[in-house]
Amino acid sequence: EIVMTQSPATLSVSPGEGATLSCRASQSVSSNLAWYQQKPGQTPRLLIYGASTRATGIPPRFSGSGSGTEFTLTITSLQSEDFAVYYCQHYNSWPLTFGGGTKVEIK
Amino acid sequence: QVQLVQSGAEVKKPGASVKVSCKASGYTFTSYGISWVRQAPGQGLEWMGWISSYTGDTKYAQRLQGRVTMTTDTSTRTAYMELRSLRSDDTAMYYCARDGRFIANLNWLDPWGQGTLVTVSS
Repeated sequence: EIVMTQSPATLSVSPGEGATLSCRASQSVSSNLAWYQQKPGQTPRLLIYGASTRATGIPPRFSGSGSGTEFTLTITSLQSEDFAVYYCQHYNSWPLTFGGGTKVEIK
Repeated sequence: QVQLVQSGAEVKKPGASVKVSCKASGYTFTSYGISWVRQAPGQGLEWMGWISSYTGDTKYAQRLQGRVTMTTDTSTRTAYMELRSLRSDDTAMYYCARDGRFIANLNWLDPWGQGTLVTVSS
């Protein structure tokens, strides 16, 4: 199975600053990579699919990049509602697997 | 709008079974598969398996093989996940989630159901 590794585990950011989250796959997943946001007590929400395509209704301050084994989620000018846990997930082959998550917290 | 509504919370004893339902609305049920994902308290997301709502084909996570069965009832637009021989470490929030693409295997997941808390305790 493909192992997804996210870094850092926790990112402390001040509101209005930017954040860069990383996701690495143990083998190439091409561009078959999605990002989700999960706030405490809430269901995960799709942000990005195809490594760089924003899902419906996702604001442009969220952007995804990368292919193969290295991926990045960039959030520019963090808003209060962006403090959450972010997960990457590959869908290149079975089984689907998720990264362990990056918690973006208020500095 | 596309919506997945799951059944309510369950409390089970070790060794018992649980069956969670996921009722879909707002789209053609047989055109999208359903994955099941669980999340233990304070932990990350774990993919459990997938079922094609069109063919009934299934894919399961290896660590759950033999204990999990996923089914669908197209007449009621409902997907089911049954987990047997429950252990305390099966205590988790269980989510269903729809495939992101029309009649395609291997997808991102969107949208997700609201989750069903399964607690395994003696």
